Amino acid sequence: EVQLLESGGGLVQPGGSLRLSCAASGFTFSSYAMGWVRQAPGKGLEWVSSITGSGGGTYYADSVRGRFTISRDNSKNTLYLQMNSLRVEDTAVYYCAKGKGAGVIDWFDPWGQGTLVTVFS
Amino acid sequence: QSALTQPASVSGSPGQSITISCTGTSSDVGTYDLVSWYQQHPGKAPKLMICDVNKRPSGVPDRFSGSKSGNTASLTISGLQGEDEADYYCCSYAGRYSWVFGGGTKVTVL
Repeated sequence: EVQLLESGGGLVQPGGSLRLSCAASGFTFSSYAMGWVRQAPGKGLEWVSSITGSGGGTYYADSVRGRFTISRDNSKNTLYLQMNSLRVEDTAVYYCAKGKGAGVIDWFDPWGQGTLVTVFS
Repeated sequence: QSALTQPASVSGSPGQSITISCTGTSSDVGTYDLVSWYQQHPGKAPKLMICDVNKRPSGVPDRFSGSKSGNTASLTISGLQGEDEADYYCCSYAGRYSWVFGGGTKVTVL
């Protein structure tokens, strides 16, 4: 069974940093692209970032480009999201999700349970 | 990228059919057959219901179906059941390795 478990969320002040992790199991991690999707409280879903299976391709939403960095350690079956220069509007539940194949997302399935990031002033 | 446009809410009685629309542009929905739909119950993670416009992943009931015409994709739930009450989100590839979601639709079973 595919499982994704996020961790690393918490409270942080504007301008601060956090690193999220997503531990994957139940599939050959390096063979699949992965992504991060967030959901602000009471709001809809927003794609944040994606990475290819090898880690050689990384992609970002305009709202986070230059502040967030996605990476993966295929030896540890773990996906990361380094978040710097955090803003109040980054407050959200962050989900990691598995893509369709090594180089492509096509769709997000399954999703982890999410980890809450709260940026407060 | 601008979010795809979905109705805020749709309702129906048990057994009825409802359709949720998802309107994008020629840069996303209109160009790519990479539209997916997600169901989200309160406090839970989203679940994939439809991929590639009209394909149902294993385990998704066949009362869920998807389609697309021009810049608008649609999700139809036939034979509405109480457990279908949830929020639904569409998602489309938007080019240059980016993805865009809809604002979400709350489905209420009357």
